[in-house]
Amino acid sequence: ETGVTQSPTHLIKTRGQQVTLRCSSQSGHNTVSWYQQALGQGPQFIFQYYREEENGRGNFPPRFSGLQFPNYSSELNVNALELDDSALYLCASSPDTSYNEQFFGPGTRLTVL
Amino acid sequence: AQSVAQPEDQVNVAEGNPLTVKCTYSVSGNPYLFWYVQYPNRGLQFLLKYITGDNLVKGSYGFEAEFNKSQTSFHLKKPSALVSDSALYFCAGAGANNLFFGTGTRLTVIP
Repeated sequence: ETGVTQSPTHLIKTRGQQVTLRCSSQSGHNTVSWYQQALGQGPQFIFQYYREEENGRGNFPPRFSGLQFPNYSSELNVNALELDDSALYLCASSPDTSYNEQFFGPGTRLTVL
Repeated sequence: AQSVAQPEDQVNVAEGNPLTVKCTYSVSGNPYLFWYVQYPNRGLQFLLKYITGDNLVKGSYGFEAEFNKSQTSFHLKKPSALVSDSALYFCAGAGANNLFFGTGTRLTVIP
């Protein structure tokens, strides 16, 4: 059974640029959630995708957007990057939306200069 | 708003001694609570969860957690700490479609 994978591992961008982060869910999981973990903080919920539709969103601006594909992999897109977007971005998958436990990937470390 | 709180940023314990990492919760309805561990430059690893049933939940790597409804707490425990247990521990609760996390407690086990 393959776990959750994310790419790239690290990324450096400059303010104002756009970035796309990718996540492959664990086999058999149709629900993907994205979290932002700033340095020294707990993860904060960005949004969740279920069967290619957004299924809930945290307190993040519209420049944070996402996609989920038919194979349940997902992308997180961030436009107009700001310095405060520097963080570890975590993807988590679960078998469906009613299953509370989420399985996390290793994360993508984004640095905005 | 639903939340969990971890009152200690740092916990130090000697190897072989019992450890406790504290968590309190504020949720509506029945709480679904979790503990995750994070090693440097790694994602979160699931340790255990409380959904319903026994107040003492057993999890991975010898960890357990005690759910206390009257004190709204869900403390993580281990009878004998290992140096390899040194990591960042997060308590979390389940919302409608997300997990909400505490700020984390850094556990250091001293040889």
